Amino acid sequence: AQKITQTQPGMFVQEKEAVTLDCTYDTSDQSYGLFWYKQPSSGEMIFLIYQGSYDEQNATEGRYSLNFQKARKSANLVISASQLGDSAMYFCAMREARGYQKVTFGTGTKLQVIP
Amino acid sequence: DTGVSQNPRHKITKRGQNVTFRCDPISEHNRLYWYRQTLGQGPEFLTYFQNEAQLEKSRLLSDRFSAERPKGSFSTLEIQRTEQGDSAMYLCASSLGEGNEKLFFGSGTQLSVL
Repeated sequence: AQKITQTQPGMFVQEKEAVTLDCTYDTSDQSYGLFWYKQPSSGEMIFLIYQGSYDEQNATEGRYSLNFQKARKSANLVISASQLGDSAMYFCAMREARGYQKVTFGTGTKLQVIP
Repeated sequence: DTGVSQNPRHKITKRGQNVTFRCDPISEHNRLYWYRQTLGQGPEFLTYFQNEAQLEKSRLLSDRFSAERPKGSFSTLEIQRTEQGDSAMYLCASSLGEGNEKLFFGSGTQLSVL
């Protein structure tokens, strides 16, 4: 069984600073995918970034980058130059490779950006 | 592309009543997921479909929950004999599948069981 762990229930960051949100995962599969989603107070789930387990380069999408350390089974999200609009819940998720490849989510980290 | 649509946005019901939610995925998406989310928690997997086939159902899901996706288009999630513990946001998401599992989410249906 797979498991996603986000150990930071809440984080604060100063506007314009960078912040790292932690995510570790547990799987015995060799092929899997890792995602980060943002959920603002409005409730919508917004896709941010994806990393495949065989991707050699860390994924980047604008101000978002994924620090993928396969041996440590971690997939931390780095947000550079934080903005007030970044205040939201952030969820790490994993697509398993076995079976029917469902996507499961961690418990989330609430990020608050301070002016 | 109008995105994933869920109806209704809100549902208030009395305990013991049956409720049904609808999800219209993005038209070319083969996979459709249902998740449940309570306040401060991550989305909890309920079930998902590849076209019209229901591939997996969470073991946490009681027999009061049933989902369908006739003809591989829209999907319905029915909860029978609702309980107060069913109160949650029910999220639907779709994806292309075939290795592309980027999920597109709907706005959700907020269920309140009184």
